[in-house]
Amino acid sequence: KNQVEQSPQSLIILEGKNCTLQCNYTVSPFSNLRWYKQDTGRGPVSLTIMTFSENTKSNGRYTATLDADTKQSSLHITASQLSDSASYICVGISNTGNQFYFGTGTSLTVIP
Amino acid sequence: NAGVTQTPKFQVLKTGQSMTLQCAQDMNHEYMSWYRQDPGMGLRLIHYSVGAGITDQGEVPNGYNVSRSTTEDFPLRLLSAAPSQTSVYFCASSKSGTGGYEQYFGPGTRLTVT
Repeated sequence: KNQVEQSPQSLIILEGKNCTLQCNYTVSPFSNLRWYKQDTGRGPVSLTIMTFSENTKSNGRYTATLDADTKQSSLHITASQLSDSASYICVGISNTGNQFYFGTGTSLTVIP
Repeated sequence: NAGVTQTPKFQVLKTGQSMTLQCAQDMNHEYMSWYRQDPGMGLRLIHYSVGAGITDQGEVPNGYNVSRSTTEDFPLRLLSAAPSQTSVYFCASSKSGTGGYEQYFGPGTRLTVT
């Protein structure tokens, strides 16, 4: 069964600190893995897209890693800001079926 | 370039009523999809379309109909609303449903069925 699991479910950090969010996926045949940021009351916005051949991809203070062997991905946020408070969603995409498999997200709260 | 637009933003329905959620995109994307988002669950695919005239079911299609008469529009119809359909609905579009193309989401429609 294709699925994506994320941890932790929620996280609170101090402004300026770093954090890492985790994603385990079982999507086959695997095409690519994405991280989205979803602000409260808004639609998800893409942060990174990685294929199986890419180990790391950065978008500003966001760095995603992918280990295709262990089927794990992480999203590292550097020097967090209050505006980073949001839900971060990991999504696995299969090569077949035009379907996207969404994790339940990690709710990140950055406090002053 | 408005991206993906959805109307209405909020809607309250009574059980048994029908309605259509509108979705439009101006990026000439072939792939469009509808998701619902419920607390504690990931986004779940309702229906998707890979081009005008072509639609297919996703994970949770029951109670919903779609059509794709133009590239730009992909409306979602609730045939007879039920309280279980209370949710936030997102429309999304992408150049393709496979490969590494960006997927763009609309702002969502918050639906309450009483």
